[in-house]
Amino acid sequence: AQSVTQLGSHVSVSEGALVLLRCNYSSSVPPYLFWYVQYPNQGLQLLLKYTSAATLVKGINGFEAEFKKSETSFHLTKPSAHMSDAAEYFCAVITNDYKLSFGAGTTVTVRA
Amino acid sequence: DTGVSQNPRHKITKRGQNVTFRCDPISEHNRLYWYRQTLGQGPEFLTYFQNEAQLEKSRLLSDRFSAERPKGSFSTLEIQRTEQGDSAMYLCASSPLAVYTEAFFGQGTRLTVV
Repeated sequence: AQSVTQLGSHVSVSEGALVLLRCNYSSSVPPYLFWYVQYPNQGLQLLLKYTSAATLVKGINGFEAEFKKSETSFHLTKPSAHMSDAAEYFCAVITNDYKLSFGAGTTVTVRA
Repeated sequence: DTGVSQNPRHKITKRGQNVTFRCDPISEHNRLYWYRQTLGQGPEFLTYFQNEAQLEKSRLLSDRFSAERPKGSFSTLEIQRTEQGDSAMYLCASSPLAVYTEAFFGQGTRLTVV
């Protein structure tokens, strides 16, 4: 069964610094991977998705992620953090062709 | 595009009461999902509809939980005899029929059982 593991439940960065959120996947078949963001008391919003077309995926709000098969990773990055990036981020993989399986999430705080 | 709509946004209920939540998916989406999210955790899959057919239910969905999607449009999730452990955010999502496509989420219903 496909699954994802997010390394680090909390990440704190300074405004303007690099944001790096780690996600590793486990899958016996080529995975379809997603990053979602959740602001307090809100639903989840798609940041970006990997569907095997390109290993470097660009998303909204300046985020991007790179699929590395050799490392079974799909880490999310943003070169320069903004205060508005403070949120919870979830990595997810599709299982059974339609069902999303989520990691435990990483909370990002941004220091002024 | 009105997105996925969930009502109510917040619900406080006493233990033992029944509650019902409603989800209106994006109109052209055939697939509808319910997830549950507790504090500090990622969403956990509860159940899945394709049109009006409920095709999968998680073991998390005890017999106190029931979901329907009459006519393949809106969906309801009912919890009978609520327990404090049912306190969580209940998220609804929808997606087109295409495989491996992302789901679009509503803003959720936060349930507090006191």
